[in-house]
Amino acid sequence: SQTIHQWPATLVQPVGSPLSLECTVEGTSNPNLYWYRQAAGRGLQLLFYSVGIGQISSEVPQNLSASRPQDRQFILSSKKLLLSDSGFYLCAWSVVLNTEAFFGQGTRLTVV
Amino acid sequence: AQTVTQSQPEMSVQEAETVTLSCTYDTSENNYYLFWYKQPPSRQMILVIRQEAYKQQNATENRFSVNFQKAAKSFSLKISDSQLGDTAMYFCAFMPDSNYQLIWGAGTKLIIKP
Repeated sequence: SQTIHQWPATLVQPVGSPLSLECTVEGTSNPNLYWYRQAAGRGLQLLFYSVGIGQISSEVPQNLSASRPQDRQFILSSKKLLLSDSGFYLCAWSVVLNTEAFFGQGTRLTVV
Repeated sequence: AQTVTQSQPEMSVQEAETVTLSCTYDTSENNYYLFWYKQPPSRQMILVIRQEAYKQQNATENRFSVNFQKAAKSFSLKISDSQLGDTAMYFCAFMPDSNYQLIWGAGTKLIIKP
């Protein structure tokens, strides 16, 4: 069966520090991978998606970047965090070209 | 632009009652998928039910069922015999066949009271 792992679960970082959130998927090959951000009490905003290794599409301009160094690994990064980067970040995967997305457990990021 | 609207920010019902959450969407696409996701306090996002637009029959999953009205672009979720564990945020989502990216509503907070 397929599983998705996302870590860390919580993170407190000072303004200006770097960020690296990691997500890995097991049990499937060539998944679509997604990073979402969810503001408190709000819906999900798609940040990045990837349909293959090294292929990253960005949905909104921002202080963040994403990379996919391996087929089932998706990394969300920032060189210098801003206060506005605080939020709940969710990684997800889906079967290529179809179906629903399956989510990781999320990372609550607080920038102080 | 494709949008998803959930007009009920919050709802509460008594345990064992039936509740319906509304969702409307706007698209010019003919082929797409619709989903309801549940996000309990743990923040884990869990798929509740999905519907393919080309299917006329409404999807059902145990106590959860949908009323899909394609012409009206409406996709409501009905929860029968509600349980305390159903307390969560519920998100409606739309995926066009053309690019397979999920478009999300703002969510409805559902509280089941004992």
